[in-house]
Amino acid sequence: KQEVTQIPAALSVPEGENLVLNCSFTDSAIYNLQWFRQDPGKGLTSLLLIQSSQREQTSGRLNASLDKSSGRSTLYIAASQPGDSATYLCAVDRGANNLFFGTGTRLTVIP
Amino acid sequence: NAGVTQTPKFQVLKTGQSMTLQCAQDMNHEYMSWYRQDPGMGLRLIHYSVGAGITDQGEVPNGYNVSRSTTEDFPLRLLSAAPSQTSVYFCASRPDTRGEAFFGQGTRLTVV
Repeated sequence: KQEVTQIPAALSVPEGENLVLNCSFTDSAIYNLQWFRQDPGKGLTSLLLIQSSQREQTSGRLNASLDKSSGRSTLYIAASQPGDSATYLCAVDRGANNLFFGTGTRLTVIP
Repeated sequence: NAGVTQTPKFQVLKTGQSMTLQCAQDMNHEYMSWYRQDPGMGLRLIHYSVGAGITDQGEVPNGYNVSRSTTEDFPLRLLSAAPSQTSVYFCASRPDTRGEAFFGQGTRLTVV
């Protein structure tokens, strides 16, 4: 079974700092990997989708990388802002319409 | 664009009661899914559908039923609610099996 791990579970940084969130998965036979943001009591907002053939994707201050062979993905957030405070989830797609989720990293950006 | 809409947002049930969680999407997506989110665990797949009239079980299907009569709607039925079904439920849709997944705002269900 696919296992997805996100470390650290929680992270606090001062405003303006660049930061990296980590996601690792046990089975490299994936279709794609997706990063989500979840605000307290809210749904999941898609941030970036990386297909298995891609190495990275960028959207604004966000950059996600994928290394299938090592079973790792990182989400880089540049110049963090208080509005970036949320829980960030990664999900791995192995087909059969099932996304395997990590338990998330709770990010707090301190003004 | 409404995206994926779930109703209700909150619900309290007594053990043994039944109810239906509604999910609708307006993006003409073929693939729809239901997940549950529990503290300390990642989201887990309950049931999914690859098109109208086609459904299948996910990782944790027991106690839940689904049907898909239209492309837009994918309701989740709890047949006889149990306290173990206390959770936050999310509906998701995607255009195809490798496409970007879009999630609803969730339904927080408490079974007492």
